[in-house]
Amino acid sequence: NAGVTQTPKFQVLKTGQSMTLQCAQDMNHNSMYWYRQDPGMGLRLIYYSASEGTTDKGEVPNGYNVSRLNKREFSLRLESAAPSQTSVYFCASSETVTNTEAFFGQGTRLTVV
Amino acid sequence: SQKIEQNSEALNIQEGKTATLTCNYTNYSPAYLQWYRQDPGRGPVFLLLIRENEKEKRKERLKVTFDTTLKQSLFHITASQPADSATYLCARDNFNKFYFGSGTKLNVKP
Repeated sequence: NAGVTQTPKFQVLKTGQSMTLQCAQDMNHNSMYWYRQDPGMGLRLIYYSASEGTTDKGEVPNGYNVSRLNKREFSLRLESAAPSQTSVYFCASSETVTNTEAFFGQGTRLTVV
Repeated sequence: SQKIEQNSEALNIQEGKTATLTCNYTNYSPAYLQWYRQDPGRGPVFLLLIRENEKEKRKERLKVTFDTTLKQSLFHITASQPADSATYLCARDNFNKFYFGSGTKLNVKP
């Protein structure tokens, strides 16, 4: 049982480049999330999708876009990467948005130079 | 905004002792709080969920309390072991979203 799978695991981008982080879950969960984690800042919510077909902004959405491609997949796109977006990105999923545990992927370590 | 605050200083304890970690929240009481464990280089892993109307929840050596008067949750690990060394994160719900604290690093020394 794979759970939540993120690709890639590591990425180096130059300022201004674009890229898409992929996330897929095989638990038939309705809700999916993208977080970033920076030292001393904890996990900050970028975007979430309460159910297939819906997406909403979290705490730090600027500079990012998301797509809930289907129930399994939720991608995060950086259109024009900036050094401030250097971080570790985690995708997570849960059965619903409330009252249930979240399952996390292994993370993508992104460096923007 | 609905904040979650955890002690940013690492907690160092001796093997066999009880570790107690604190999570404080602001504004209105969340419907539930969750605790996660995170090891270096890995994603957080769910440990326990406690609802607003529950005072205490236990799972093996873990215990979580929820005090709506103090706006606080305490996370206890009894008979701690070096393998319990990790960062522990607290999370609250807020209108269909989870918000996490910055975590407290626990070091259990043999």
